[in-house]
Amino acid sequence: DADVTQTPRNRITKTGKRIMLECSQTKGHDRMYWYRQDPGLGLQLIYYSFDVKDINKGEISDGYSVSRQAQAKFSLSLESAIPNQTALYFCATSDDWGEQYFGPGTRLTVL
Amino acid sequence: KQEVTQIPAALSVPEGENLVLNCSFTDSAIYNLQWFRQDPGKGLTSLLLIQSSQREQTSGRLNASLDKSSGRSTLYIAASQPGDSATYLCAVEVNYGQNFVFGPGTRLSVLP
Repeated sequence: DADVTQTPRNRITKTGKRIMLECSQTKGHDRMYWYRQDPGLGLQLIYYSFDVKDINKGEISDGYSVSRQAQAKFSLSLESAIPNQTALYFCATSDDWGEQYFGPGTRLTVL
Repeated sequence: KQEVTQIPAALSVPEGENLVLNCSFTDSAIYNLQWFRQDPGKGLTSLLLIQSSQREQTSGRLNASLDKSSGRSTLYIAASQPGDSATYLCAVEVNYGQNFVFGPGTRLSVLP
């Protein structure tokens, strides 16, 4: 089984809808991250968490919120989706050495 | 602000060639540098992680080097194969555990 899983894998929604993307990990890492990737661009950090009580904004957090329900679970929400949030979203964890492990991604389309 | 660039943006080579991918970063104060492989529409797979105190790491046909003072890293792929076709990204860890900055990637095609 994959170490980092994401659900759903694909989602099409309409402008204004609330969307939640979920991430689970079995690596036992404290650190978890949400990124978005747009075609031709590098990954951009949305939010990161060091543990259940520690949530931090990344470089592009506007329009997004997160919840760290447990060490293994980190969810990303779009409160009111807009078309320019159409992108590929990745969850990742990292160990104490800084090596990152990525989930398979969620392809989100906002119409 | 840390910026990461990768040259070339795309590369096409015949099978069997040795090749070098380049990654440059503007601020030498990094904790580590990581190389990833990404297949189309898929997640990133970690290839090599180089800590800031290290000069290189090797895994199979892959060798990554790091020169912090010049802000450069190279990924050397020996005896390339069609299965190596993918996008290769580098990322630097700027603040411990907090901030990873990614390059835009190099899209590699290895032709049979």
